[in-house]
Amino acid sequence: KAGVTQTPRYLIKTRGQQVTLSCSPISGHRSVSWYQQTPGQGLQFLFEYFSETQRNKGNFPGRFSGRQFSNSRSEMNVSTLELGDSALYLCASSLGRGPDTQYFGPGTRLTVL
Amino acid sequence: AQKVTQAQTEISVVEKEDVTLDCVYETRDTTYYLFWYKQPPSGELVFLIRRNSFDEQNEISGRYSWNFQKSTSSFNFTITASQVVDSAVYFCALRNTDKLIFGTGTRLQVFP
Repeated sequence: KAGVTQTPRYLIKTRGQQVTLSCSPISGHRSVSWYQQTPGQGLQFLFEYFSETQRNKGNFPGRFSGRQFSNSRSEMNVSTLELGDSALYLCASSLGRGPDTQYFGPGTRLTVL
Repeated sequence: AQKVTQAQTEISVVEKEDVTLDCVYETRDTTYYLFWYKQPPSGELVFLIRRNSFDEQNEISGRYSWNFQKSTSSFNFTITASQVVDSAVYFCALRNTDKLIFGTGTRLQVFP
């Protein structure tokens, strides 16, 4: 079975721009979660989508948003980029049944200049 | 509050040494789930093990073993006869109803 894929792997943007990251879950998985990883804050939960609905949300500003499509693929959008948004963004997929195991993709490394 | 503490920021060992990575967690839930993930330099978080709170059996998988003790709220991870390929950052995580709560990670460097 193919793993979780994320595109693009690397992005460079400038302050004020917006960015969209994409995640394709493992086949059969219906839940997609997003995490931000920075040296200062570590790994932090952004949000989770299940069956095209946001099921849970972390403590991030409204500039961070996401969506999920009927094929379970998910996108994450960050608007009005700030320098502090530079991070590794990790997507994880799971079956979506209760607290099941999350499997992570390789991440998208975003650099904001 | 739910929290995971990995007090060891970095550990360096020489190949073939045994090494234990510590993890202490806090939760008020009676049912919870603990995980270990490995993050090599490539960045991907690789799932290693999951342990449910109601199953205190220790587990061994090849050179890897895990010691889960509810009495001390610890879920420690031991690598026996470490290898250079074990060099990575290891994260312990606690799963509540909606998300994974990660520790700060322990960077393990195994030198030849």
